[in-house]
Amino acid sequence: DTEVTQTPKHLVMGMTNKKSLKCEQHMGHRAMYWYKQKAKKPPELMFVYSYEKLSINESVPSRFSPECPNSSLLNLHLHALQPEDSALYLCASSRSGLAGDNEQFFGPGTRLTVL
Amino acid sequence: AQSVAQPEDQVNVAEGNPLTVKCTYSVSGNPYLFWYVQYPNRGLQFLLKYITGDNLVKGSYGFEAEFNKSQTSFHLKKPSALVSDSALYFCAVKVVQGAQKLVFGQGTRLTINP
Repeated sequence: DTEVTQTPKHLVMGMTNKKSLKCEQHMGHRAMYWYKQKAKKPPELMFVYSYEKLSINESVPSRFSPECPNSSLLNLHLHALQPEDSALYLCASSRSGLAGDNEQFFGPGTRLTVL
Repeated sequence: AQSVAQPEDQVNVAEGNPLTVKCTYSVSGNPYLFWYVQYPNRGLQFLLKYITGDNLVKGSYGFEAEFNKSQTSFHLKKPSALVSDSALYFCAVKVVQGAQKLVFGQGTRLTINP
């Protein structure tokens, strides 16, 4: 299995809602990532988990809360989002968070719209 | 700061012609460089990487890239373009900041005309 899966594919939420994005990989990768991507722009890194520990938080607002329950799963909990948070949220994984030569494998993303 | 630049927002090529998508880098030390492709409403797909060794790197779907240290470039190439190659292409460099992270260029929209 060489896929990174993400659910849901699309999500529409109000500014007072609480929702979660899910990401799963079964490649035995020990590093997982959340990115935010606006239209026609490059992905912007949000969080990195390495061996199930949060190792990078790119100064992301607290209304985004990541969670890594185990080495295969990554969640992003959303609460009190703003319309400007509407974007494609991409999950990725790589074999190791420490070795520099590992490529990242990306999921198809969750298209989030905040009303 | 370590970064990559893609000087062209858009590249148009006729089908069957060779294509080049440009990328230059600015890093201290040895760079770890990557190319990714993104089709509409999809995630990024890994094409190829340069870590060390041969300057010409071969990747997926017939793509290759040439690492040039003197020109600090890592241009993506393909000898004969297909309409299906039309997509958004990102160059990226691996940066060490505690853990590893990718820093992406701004992307180049490649359009292959039939």
